[in-house]
Amino acid sequence: DTGVSQNPRHKITKRGQNVTFRCDPISEHNRLYWYRQTLGQGPEFLTYFQNEAQLEKSRLLSDRFSAERPKGSFSTLEIQRTEQGDSAMYLCASRGGVAGAPRDTQYFGPGTRLTVL
Amino acid sequence: AQSVTQLDSHVSVSEGTPVLLRCNYSSSYSPSLFWYVQHPNKGLQLLLKYTSAATLVKGINGFEAEFKKSETSFHLTKPSAHMSDAAEYFCVVTPPLFGNEKLTFGTGTRLTIIP
Repeated sequence: DTGVSQNPRHKITKRGQNVTFRCDPISEHNRLYWYRQTLGQGPEFLTYFQNEAQLEKSRLLSDRFSAERPKGSFSTLEIQRTEQGDSAMYLCASRGGVAGAPRDTQYFGPGTRLTVL
Repeated sequence: AQSVTQLDSHVSVSEGTPVLLRCNYSSSYSPSLFWYVQHPNKGLQLLLKYTSAATLVKGINGFEAEFKKSETSFHLTKPSAHMSDAAEYFCVVTPPLFGNEKLTFGTGTRLTIIP
């Protein structure tokens, strides 16, 4: 257990529905990341936050995806109008450190597995 | 831009024999490199990381990796495989200077241990 928690662990939904996932990082970590992992592939970066500010978004993050971290603690990832191609494991990671400390470790949660029928 | 190539999608070894998981990297700068392990139904766990200090990096559970700039490689090794080592292993690269804000993962190597 890394200390990063994600809920729910599994989500099954029908195409077109909206889903929301939650990530609770390690409490003192100011940076939070979202990744997506499809079957047989490595995780791909989606977005990251420093405190409550979303500082980078991948081109993978279409307009149907939105992420928030309103108080700089937990984060939510929402997918609107889900498609079958959204089926994947959604991973959250957090790390501490400050700018200029580039080699601190990202700690990953167990992930939320999304299945879109 | 940086990337990693894991040369084997699947490796099988007998218990007690050495493990070698191969990774080549491509980076415009001297990168930071990591190996993560993913057991079924568990989160990604850091095995070890290269931070431009010693080129031979020791990690948890008896794993180690050697950074070879001339070969752009960062292969993961273990002298003697254990059944509990069966998992998916990912080689990861990140830019060295601006914080590892974006980890770039390889496609993974599935390690199977034969009893």
